[in-house]
Amino acid sequence: QITLKESGPTLVKPTQTLSLTCTFSGFSLSTSGVGVGWIRQPPGKALEWLALIYWNKDYHYSPSLKSRVTITKDTSKNQVVLTMTNMDSVDTATYYCARTHYYDSRLDYWGQGTLVTVSS
Amino acid sequence: QSVLTQPPSVSAAPGQKVTISCSGSSSNIGINYVSWYQQLPGTAPKLLIYDTNKRPSGIPDRFSGSKSGTSATLGITGLQTGDEADYYCGTWDSSLSGLLFGGGTKLTVL
Repeated sequence: QITLKESGPTLVKPTQTLSLTCTFSGFSLSTSGVGVGWIRQPPGKALEWLALIYWNKDYHYSPSLKSRVTITKDTSKNQVVLTMTNMDSVDTATYYCARTHYYDSRLDYWGQGTLVTVSS
Repeated sequence: QSVLTQPPSVSAAPGQKVTISCSGSSSNIGINYVSWYQQLPGTAPKLLIYDTNKRPSGIPDRFSGSKSGTSATLGITGLQTGDEADYYCGTWDSSLSGLLFGGGTKLTVL
């Protein structure tokens, strides 16, 4: 059974740095072709891809957020961490992590999501 | 504004068929696989179609996917009220080296 779960602060202040952890089970990030991505969704709006990291440590960032995000993995802990600097109210959203695949970029298992509110 | 263009909304009666389009370009849909996701109200997205036209285990064959050139289409037959949801297309963009999502389409089953 494959599961993913996001954890981190639910409230951050403007200009602060957000750190979210995706803890997963049922698969390994050392398996060839496997990756984990982060996606967010502002209230009432569309999905937006943020970043992903693959089994081979290759990573990609959304061009619009590249200067603010960092993604890392700890294979032994089955965790992927997303860091986003200089948070603003427009970053208020539900943040999801999901398993992805290098071959076809499908996101086949998703976490439940965590709502992050940016407010002073 | 999303790089992948979807109609904001579609609607049809129960039992009918509906299609949702997703328009992209030669750097994304034109050369890469397309996925479709269903997001029921208040829940996380769920993979509905992958590799343009394949269904994960457990997804009924009422759902289908296709692609022509730089556009992809999700088809849903035998509409049920439980199909009311937001639907998103997604694909890789080889120029941006990143994932793209469409703006989402809200399906209403009248």
